[in-house]
Amino acid sequence: QIQLQQSGPGLVKPSQTLSLTCAISGDSVSSNSATWNWIRQSPSRGLEWLGRTYYRSKWYNDYAVSVKSRITINPDTSKNQFSLHLNSVTPEDTALYYCAREVYPMDVWGQGTTVTVSS
Amino acid sequence: DIVMTQSPDSLAVSLGERATINCKSGQSVLHRSNNKNYLAWYQQKPGQPPKLLISWASTRESGVPDRFSGSGSGTDFTLTISSLQAEDVAVYYCQQYFDTPYTFGQGTKLEIK
Repeated sequence: QIQLQQSGPGLVKPSQTLSLTCAISGDSVSSNSATWNWIRQSPSRGLEWLGRTYYRSKWYNDYAVSVKSRITINPDTSKNQFSLHLNSVTPEDTALYYCAREVYPMDVWGQGTTVTVSS
Repeated sequence: DIVMTQSPDSLAVSLGERATINCKSGQSVLHRSNNKNYLAWYQQKPGQPPKLLISWASTRESGVPDRFSGSGSGTDFTLTISSLQAEDVAVYYCQQYFDTPYTFGQGTKLEIK
């Protein structure tokens, strides 16, 4: 059974970096058939896809234009997990963040992490 | 970006009655190479992540009750719950995975009348 377990702080100060990790069990971050995604949800923006990382003989990333200058999604093959780093956060980045596996489409989701950006 | 628009925003249906939710995409999500619609439906209950119900516009996921069905092609899609049960109260989202950035509809809140 595939599971995604999220971890990371729930409170981040403005201008700092939001960092979350998604640990994978039952699949591999290096899978040639899956992609590994981050999505956030807020009342103002609804469900917003942020980006993904995936392996197809080499590593690829895709990012949403809205966060492209601030986001990095990294795989960690040694720990079978992937991470989200969003820098220069503002209160508008306050949201419920999810990781998700995509095997056309996103079929397994993490439990969600509420992140508040506040001083 | 492919804009996804759902209707209605909210819906109240009596137990045992049919519920219908519509989703329209700003451009076709039908891939000509494989004749598949890259459209998914999710159910989200309070405090839970979205749960995948239907992929490829009409393929029910394993374990999803057969009262849930999806239809449509190109730009117009429908999620139908044939006989509403109390446990179906939730917010429902459509999502296109035809191209990144993946985009979701704004959600339809389904309640019991």
